[in-house]
Formats: sequence, C-alpha cells, structure tokens
Amino acid sequence: GIQVEQSPPDLILQEGANSTLRCNFSDSVNNLQWFHQNPWGQLINLFYIPSGTKQNGRLSATTVATERYSLLYISSSQTTDSGVYFCAVCGTSYGKLTFGQGTILTVHP
Amino acid sequence: GAGVSQSPSNKVTEKGKDVELRCDPISGHTALYWYRQSLGQGLEFLIYFQGNSAPDKSGLPSDRFSAERTGGSVSTLTIQRTQQEDSAVYLCASSLAPSGLISYEQYFGPGTRLTVT
Repeated sequence: GIQVEQSPPDLILQEGANSTLRCNFSDSVNNLQWFHQNPWGQLINLFYIPSGTKQNGRLSATTVATERYSLLYISSSQTTDSGVYFCAVCGTSYGKLTFGQGTILTVHP
Repeated sequence: GAGVSQSPSNKVTEKGKDVELRCDPISGHTALYWYRQSLGQGLEFLIYFQGNSAPDKSGLPSDRFSAERTGGSVSTLTIQRTQQEDSAVYLCASSLAPSGLISYEQYFGPGTRLTVT
C-alpha cells in the first residue's frame, strides 16, 4: 500500500516564528488532507489539497503531486497552534486514508 | 450544520466483554469510515461503507471486529471478546461519495476512547 512519511517528527518554536512541515508519499493520490489534532484528540480539517496551493489565514499548503510531496506552512505561530499535525492520503483504494506518523509542534510563549 | 457525532465518548470495559460504538455521519454523506488511533500503531483504517456497496473491510484486525450501517446512515462498530490491545480511540469519518477519480474531503467525529481492563 501507499506509504506516507512526515518530517520533522518534532518541532519546537517560539511564538511568532514560521515553520514548514513536509509530507512525502509513495504513489499517486486522489486525496490529500492536512489535519491538526487538538489536545482533546479532535482531528481538525486544515486543508483538502490533492494538488495546487491553498491559503487560510496564517496557514497555507502546497501539494506537488508529480513529485509526491506536500508542504504545510505556518506563519507567525501562536501557542494555540501546538498539537500534532497529520498528513493523510488516499491512493488508488478510493476512500481509505493512509496517515503519516505526524509532526508534534510545540509553540512556546 | 451538525458534524459527525460518536457515542459514547468514553467506554471502559472488562477483558472478554463485547462493546458497541456508534457513529452518526454528516447528513447527506453516503461514505462512512472507521479508523482507530493507538499509541503503537498511529492512525489506521478499519472499514469503509459506500452506499449499498459491499463494505471494504480490509483494515479490520481480526474477526472479533465487525461493523454495520443501517439505512445508509448510522453505523455501529462491534468488538467481541475485547482484549487489552483493543484499547484505543476509535474515530468515525464521513464524506461525499467518491466519484470517478475524485475522493472527497473526510470529516472526523470526536472519537470514542475505549479502555479494556
């Protein structure tokens, strides 16, 4: 099946800093989603981005499907950005999402 | 509108007992998915329902796990003879039906935390 690798595994920032999270995947995808898991365990949808670039406030994402990677940019980070960020993809098996191991982000005040 | 809801939010059960977990998808979403999140395994797919088609059960870890979806809406995940390794957070998601080469965005519920003692 499709493999998903996220980097870095851990990231520690000071409030106000910028960061880039990466997601590499091993095959063609028809869905790619970025999630933020909050401290209560809820998966919050950030982006649905099988290709192209999207922006939402301080967050933006780019997926280069032909090169099999996606990037999540967080600018001017805030303490509330802390948590785990997951990338998940759907390959040729429609429907089923395969998740990466996540990036644990800690933002200090 | 209302999101995906799951019940119960927490369930503690004794080893060997059966448990049922419930999921109410977003209205109008015909695709429904179950995943689980455990410390050792991360987030993993369990089962996928799409309309009246046979479900994709390829992620179910053993025959103690089963799921059904009644009336194309509510789904129940049943774990029989629970074991300690079943302890995890069970997440349900829903989406519009995949169509052609497109798989639509999945939205997740808050999960059910299952603890087997």
